Amino acid sequence: GEDVEQSLFLSVREGDSSVINCTYTDSSSTYLYWYKQEPGAGLQLLTYIFSNMDMKQDQRLTVLLNKKDKHLSLRIADTQTGDSAIYFCAESMGSARQLTFGSGTQLTVLP
Amino acid sequence: DTGVSQNPRHKITKRGQNVTFRCDPISEHNRLYWYRQTLGQGPEFLTYFQNEAQLEKSRLLSDRFSAERPKGSFSTLEIQRTEQGDSAMYLCASSLVTLAGGKNIQYFGAGTRLSVL
Repeated sequence: GEDVEQSLFLSVREGDSSVINCTYTDSSSTYLYWYKQEPGAGLQLLTYIFSNMDMKQDQRLTVLLNKKDKHLSLRIADTQTGDSAIYFCAESMGSARQLTFGSGTQLTVLP
Repeated sequence: DTGVSQNPRHKITKRGQNVTFRCDPISEHNRLYWYRQTLGQGPEFLTYFQNEAQLEKSRLLSDRFSAERPKGSFSTLEIQRTEQGDSAMYLCASSLVTLAGGKNIQYFGAGTRLSVL
């Protein structure tokens, strides 16, 4: 099974909040990341959180971390059509500290 | 432009041919990673370099794959005798790592999309 799991699809109305959820398995992960990928493009780092934090806010983005449940969420306030993309959660693990990604959540913003 | 640059953006080849991709990382970054992404999946780790040393390879990296980073700057990924299953997006990322256990913020290039016919 995957080390990082995400729901595959989310649709919201423009102006509403979006919440994208992620669960991970490696309790030794020290940093967790959110990336955004638009069609045909590479990954854009949105934000990251250190494992000793519960919450991090950056403009319209809020990351919540529940370390006990190994659950991470990304909330996007006032979602816009330009936010439509695939969002990946990732944990940093292993000696190489390579990123292990979920399968991504396709966010569709409806007008 | 100081981001991660990958060339070519697209590569179409016939089964059995060799292909080579190039990645130019952010200039001061000491780590360079290669990932592979297939349709509908997240990227999967292939290998990484610390400066010019290749320190870890995933079991996904078969003997047909080889990567180099000769001077600790740009890197190349070569696939020999390509197979249809090699069709994917190949992503390069770079980071600056200074402390053990510290954050490892990886910045990605736009990727090279390989299609093997």
